[in-house]
Amino acid sequence: DVKVTQSSRYLVKRTGEKVFLECVQDMDHENMFWYRQDPGLGLRLIYFSYDVKMKEKGDIPEGYSVSREKKERFSLILESASTNQTSMYLCASSLADYGYTFGSGTRLTVV
Amino acid sequence: GESVGLHLPTLSVQEGDNSIINCAYSNSASDYFIWYKQESGKGPQFIIDIRSNMDKRQGQRVTVLLNKTVKHLSLQIAATQPGDSAVYFCAENLLTGSWGKFQFGAGTQVVVTP
Repeated sequence: DVKVTQSSRYLVKRTGEKVFLECVQDMDHENMFWYRQDPGLGLRLIYFSYDVKMKEKGDIPEGYSVSREKKERFSLILESASTNQTSMYLCASSLADYGYTFGSGTRLTVV
Repeated sequence: GESVGLHLPTLSVQEGDNSIINCAYSNSASDYFIWYKQESGKGPQFIIDIRSNMDKRQGQRVTVLLNKTVKHLSLQIAATQPGDSAVYFCAENLLTGSWGKFQFGAGTQVVVTP
């Protein structure tokens, strides 16, 4: 079964901390995505990557950066966590022209 | 249908009835659509997809209808079961030049009552 694995289900971090969210897929997919999900706002795209070392900004990249050093791993970095970054973070991967496979999500709380 | 404001629209369905969930998509050039189901505490799961050269596609207990004229997508669930309680999202994709990037609707909460 294909899998997208997010390293943490729940995280609590302090304001100002640097936070790393990790995502690994085992399907050899070229595309990987980071979304955040907030009540009533749906899924909003933060960053995506269509190849190793390639990255593109999504709709809400401010306050975030990403890293894709290997095809299977896509990391989301919160440079200096703030309370408005408290959210559910979803990683997804896909082949071109096909739908996403999502991870289970990381619920991040910034206090 | 699509949500406005901060609250998801909710569809309450009696167990055994059929459910119809609607979605208005935004881009008339979108040519690939997917419905996802998200249960509480989990990531979204693929249910069914449809490409723009079709207007109907059936899966197991689910049917997706596409009306390109009015940019409308619907998901029909037959004989709704308690396990169908979840948030349902539609997603649209412009296949050409979009690197497989989807745009998601805000979702509809389906509540199945006994």
